[in-house]
Amino acid sequence: AQSVTQLGSHVSVSEGALVLLRCNYSSSVPPYLFWYVQYPNQGLQLLLKYTTGATLVKGINGFEAEFKKSETSFHLTKPSAHMSDAAEYFCAVSEGNTPLVFGKGTRLSVIA
Amino acid sequence: DAGVIQSPRHEVTEMGQEVTLRCKPISGHDYLFWYRQTMMRGLELLIYFNNNVPIDDSGMPEDRFSAKMPNASFSTLKIQPSEPRDSAVYFCASSFTEGGGTQYFGPGTRLTVL
Repeated sequence: AQSVTQLGSHVSVSEGALVLLRCNYSSSVPPYLFWYVQYPNQGLQLLLKYTTGATLVKGINGFEAEFKKSETSFHLTKPSAHMSDAAEYFCAVSEGNTPLVFGKGTRLSVIA
Repeated sequence: DAGVIQSPRHEVTEMGQEVTLRCKPISGHDYLFWYRQTMMRGLELLIYFNNNVPIDDSGMPEDRFSAKMPNASFSTLKIQPSEPRDSAVYFCASSFTEGGGTQYFGPGTRLTVL
């Protein structure tokens, strides 16, 4: 069965600094990979997803993630953090015929 | 499109009472998911439907929980009787295709059981 591990339940960065949120997955078949963001008191919103093709995926709000099969990773990055990026971020995996399996989430804090 | 609609947004009830949460998926989506989110357990999948038929309810915690989808545009999650440990945020999500398709989440219902 597939699974997701998000390294670090809380990450803190300075405004303008690089954002790096780590996600490793386990899957027995080529996976579909997702990053969602949750702002306070809201539902989850899709940031980006990888299905097939190009391994570097660009999403909304300047975020991107790279699928690395050899490392079973799908880390999320943003070159320059903004105060509005403060939120909870969830990595998720699917094997295409199963519902999404979510990681436990990483809370991102942005310091002015 | 209005997105996934959930009601009520907030529910406060007393232990032992029946609670009904409602969800309207995005029109045309054929999958519907119910999740529960707590600090301790994170995001848990409770049950999901395909074309109004329950596919997997293994995440439903107890017999006190039940879910129905009488038609393509409406689903309910019922807790009877409710207990304080049921306090959580309950999300509904819908999608076109299972897993590989993007799930669109509603704003959630914050349930507090006193």
